[in-house]
Amino acid sequence: ETVLTQSPATLSLSPGETATLSCGASQRVSNNYVAWFQQKPGLAPRLLMYDASSRVSGTPDRFSGRGSGTDFTLTISRLEPEDFAVYYCQQYGSSPWTFGQGTKVEI
Amino acid sequence: QVQLQESGPGLVKPSQTLSLTCSVSGESITSDYYYWTWIRQSAGKGLEWIGRFYSTGTTNYNPSLKSRVTISIDTSKNHFSLRLTSVTAADSAVYYCATEDLQMSTFNYWGQGTLVAVSP
Repeated sequence: ETVLTQSPATLSLSPGETATLSCGASQRVSNNYVAWFQQKPGLAPRLLMYDASSRVSGTPDRFSGRGSGTDFTLTISRLEPEDFAVYYCQQYGSSPWTFGQGTKVEI
Repeated sequence: QVQLQESGPGLVKPSQTLSLTCSVSGESITSDYYYWTWIRQSAGKGLEWIGRFYSTGTTNYNPSLKSRVTISIDTSKNHFSLRLTSVTAADSAVYYCATEDLQMSTFNYWGQGTLVAVSP
């Protein structure tokens, strides 16, 4: 199975700053089938991005995704208070679908 | 807008069978637009895809759980179910039902999750 490794584990930033989250895959992810989710305490994950760089309807444009092959990045520009959460990458290029272990973006 | 709601016992004894149901509203369970999916989250293993059911009857399971998992649907109740046999403490987790959108190929709607503990 494809193992996803996210870094860093924790990112300590202030509102207004930029967060750069990395997701590395143990093998090439076909068609760049990578999604990003945001999770807040006590809630289910929420889909933000799919196909590495496509925003889901309702995702603010300060969120951007890029990458190909085995290296993917989620960038959050101009952090807002509501952006402080845990972020997970997920691949759906090869079964079984797998998730990274998460990056916590904290104030 | 699809809405999902998990239900089932919060405590299961080791070696027994975990059974959960996901009630679906806003979409027919026979829809061609979604795979009906179960995902779990634990402190030890993080988020783990369990498996999915499609309207044609096709199921796909995580190989790590395949021998113990069954996902099925009930069209009369518009819900789908998860059955996990021979549970151990390692199966303790928050269980989510979700939809895998055929166009985006990932999980766009989620239930709120239900905590299941495996303990004597």
